[in-house]
Amino acid sequence: EPEVTQTPSHQVTQMGQEVILRCVPISNHLYFYWYRQILGQKVEFLVSFYNNEISEKSEIFDDQFSVERPDGSNFTLKIRSTKLEDSAMYFCASRVGGLQETQYFGPGTRLLVL
Amino acid sequence: QQPVQSPQAVILREGEDAVINCSSSKALYSVHWYRQKHGEAPVFLMILLKGGEQKGHEKISASFNEKKQQSSLYLTASQLSYSGTYFCGTGSNFGNEKLTFGTGTRLTIIP
Repeated sequence: EPEVTQTPSHQVTQMGQEVILRCVPISNHLYFYWYRQILGQKVEFLVSFYNNEISEKSEIFDDQFSVERPDGSNFTLKIRSTKLEDSAMYFCASRVGGLQETQYFGPGTRLLVL
Repeated sequence: QQPVQSPQAVILREGEDAVINCSSSKALYSVHWYRQKHGEAPVFLMILLKGGEQKGHEKISASFNEKKQQSSLYLTASQLSYSGTYFCGTGSNFGNEKLTFGTGTRLTIIP
């Protein structure tokens, strides 16, 4: 069964460093998402992406964040200058589109900012 | 606004039933139920669209009451594997349909 994959599974970085989280959505899916989950809390929406552009973003998704689909398969989230509060699990999700379709989540990247 | 889930946590013995509720102050287009085990990604259980629909998946079913803007997840004859945190994700836009997740219900099944 097709799956969303994410790399790396874990990333430790120093505050102020740039990180790029990578995702490979399910191949025939058209809508892509990034969510984050701070330890012990709920999953929070960051950004949605469709037709090669951002369709919606949350207030969390400020100028330090950017997303890109550099080729036909990868979907990346870049954090330009990480802060301590960016430490969280980051999930990529994708959806094929259509009324009765849900989002399928990848296994996540655990980001720790020191 | 995020949907409100209740209860926040529940402990059951294997074989008992549970109901998890998800309420929203906003009009709902869809409700998506997920189960998340510790340290893992949320796993999709089922989606309900507006229309008072009920769906079933093995011993797990759910209903969606559009008028009350709420959904309930029913787990019958619970198994140890049902342990985890259950999240409802609500979608209110057709199209891009970002999900707004509730705070979760932690379900613990004991033998």
